[in-house]
Amino acid sequence: EVQLVESGGGLVQPGGSLRLSCAASGFTFNNYWMHWVRQAPGRGLVWVSRINSDGSSTTYADSVKGRFTISRDNAKNTLFLQMNSLRAEDTAVYYCARDYDFWTGHLDYWGQGTLVTVSS
Amino acid sequence: DIQMTQSPSSLSASVGDRVTITCRASQSISTYLNWYQQKPGKAPKVLIYAASSLRSGVPSRFSGSGSGTDFTLTISTLQPEDFATYYCQQSYSTPFTFGQGTKLEIK
Repeated sequence: EVQLVESGGGLVQPGGSLRLSCAASGFTFNNYWMHWVRQAPGRGLVWVSRINSDGSSTTYADSVKGRFTISRDNAKNTLFLQMNSLRAEDTAVYYCARDYDFWTGHLDYWGQGTLVTVSS
Repeated sequence: DIQMTQSPSSLSASVGDRVTITCRASQSISTYLNWYQQKPGKAPKVLIYAASSLRSGVPSRFSGSGSGTDFTLTISTLQPEDFATYYCQQSYSTPFTFGQGTKLEIK
């Protein structure tokens, strides 16, 4: 059974940092591209970042470029999101999601999400 | 960036109704269009990918169509468990933008 479990969320002050993790199981992690998607309270889904299967290529939304870094450890089946210079508008539930394949780009499995709250 | 616009933003319907949600892209995205369902407090779940392909395990009352810039999600006969928020998402180019969502409520 495919499982994605996020962790690392919490309360952080503006300007602070946080590192999210997403532990993957039930599939061959190093075969899949992975994404982070966020959702502010009561708002819609916003794509954040993507990483290819070996970690050599990354892409970011403009709103997080230069502040967030996506990475992965294929030996530990874990995806990461390092978030620096956090702002109030980064407050959201952060989901990791698996990219089914490069050709369709749909996200076929999602974690349960981890809440990040940026507030003083 | 490609903008995705869904309509309507909200919709009231009854069990047994046929419902259609539309999604328009700001430029052609071929068939790189996916539909997700999200229930309160839960992660999104993919229903339709590549505009019209039904995800395994998703009931056949869900269907998708369209190409280029205009797409539709249709639920043929609404069931109680279908009341949720629906999002389209383009996977043609990054950033993989989502529509603003359509909240389907019980009439």
